[in-house]
Amino acid sequence: AQKVTQAQTEISVVEKEDVTLDCVYETRDTTYYLFWYKQPPSGELVFLIRRNSFDEQNEISGRYSWNFQKSTSSFNFTITASQVVDSAVYFCALSERNYGQNFVFGPGTRLSVLP
Amino acid sequence: DGGITQSPKYLFRKEGQNVTLSCEQNLNHDAMYWYRQDPGQGLRLIYYSQIVNDFQKGDIAEGYSVSREKKESFPLTVTSAQKNPTAFYLCASSSHSRETQYFGPGTRLLVL
Repeated sequence: AQKVTQAQTEISVVEKEDVTLDCVYETRDTTYYLFWYKQPPSGELVFLIRRNSFDEQNEISGRYSWNFQKSTSSFNFTITASQVVDSAVYFCALSERNYGQNFVFGPGTRLSVLP
Repeated sequence: DGGITQSPKYLFRKEGQNVTLSCEQNLNHDAMYWYRQDPGQGLRLIYYSQIVNDFQKGDIAEGYSVSREKKESFPLTVTSAQKNPTAFYLCASSSHSRETQYFGPGTRLLVL
């Protein structure tokens, strides 16, 4: 069965610190997608990135970077030089191409960036 | 601008009352979804629809009903059978099943 684990329930950092949010997944499919979403205090989930299981290249977008490692079934998200506006709940999600439900979301990690 | 709209932003329900939450998308997406989020918790799937006139139950469908008569619209009715409806409800859509989901702003439902 597909499963997504985000072991860090809450993280607090001081502004300008780097922070990594962990995501570990389980799947029996060989083709799948991994996602990260941000949920700011307003509530709407904002899509950040999608990664295909065949593409293990790391991705960088501004202060955000993602490290996908199939060998450890992990898809970690790093924010460099964190800012107060990064405070939100971050969800990792998995979508299998051939099995299971549409999407499985992890439980989320609440990030608080303190000024 | 393409996107997903949900209305109302806040909704109050009296005991024994059915209420309907609206979700509309103009992204030409085939698939639409409803999730429930309780305070401090993750997302739980209520219903999803992969195509017009078809929908499937998610993990917590009891006490809810949906319809998908138009591609753009996927309203959710919270029935009186749902004994604990207070939550944040999020609607999402994707081009096809299992593709990237895009979310609306959500509706907060409160019981009077």
